[in-house]
Amino acid sequence: DAKTTQPPSMDCAEGRAANLPCNHSTISGNEYVYWYRQIHSQGPQYIIHGLKNNETNEMASLIITEDRKSSTLILPHATLRDTAVYYCIVRDHLMNSGYSTLTFGKGTMLLVSP
Amino acid sequence: SQTIHQWPATLVQPVGSPLSLECTVEGTSNPNLYWYRQAAGRGLQLLFYSVGIGQISSEVPQNLSASRPQDRQFILSSKKLLLSDSGFYLCAWSVTPQETQYFGPGTRLLVL
Repeated sequence: DAKTTQPPSMDCAEGRAANLPCNHSTISGNEYVYWYRQIHSQGPQYIIHGLKNNETNEMASLIITEDRKSSTLILPHATLRDTAVYYCIVRDHLMNSGYSTLTFGKGTMLLVSP
Repeated sequence: SQTIHQWPATLVQPVGSPLSLECTVEGTSNPNLYWYRQAAGRGLQLLFYSVGIGQISSEVPQNLSASRPQDRQFILSSKKLLLSDSGFYLCAWSVTPQETQYFGPGTRLLVL
């Protein structure tokens, strides 16, 4: 079962920032927050991940609350090509835990409109 | 940079026919490799993963099998396809089992 809760859908105007929320109230200290997105009929695309600190890369920014129970993915200037299902996932990075499950929930369908 | 390839992109097969899907990774050595299935309207289901040549772990009992004949090649097979094998099959790789997984473009399989 997914350990995250996301809104089923969101709309965003092209050129505006898209802020996608995710709740992960049962996250443990060793678990990272990952974001992927999946454009229709394509494989999931890795976006960003973080543990405690906010992270930024060329695609997006990840803001994690101080208690780590929620996070927000920010696409600073959404384009039409950002229309996709966005998945928020928590997973363990412990080196002695063997394979770390990657469980996708239902995600948020982001629709970017002109 | 690393790239991951899957083929074919789409496949329509009759029930009872064999299956072979191929995944290859370029630009890295000794990757961890994964096969997932994504059924319509459902999440990803991990089918197999491999930490090295000839090493395959199966996550769920099923009609499918996997093999890793070369370091960067991962194959998903079936001797006799079932209708329930229809779905979107995704291959992924990572540097270690715990780190970020990167997915291929997927193969859409329809069993009729």
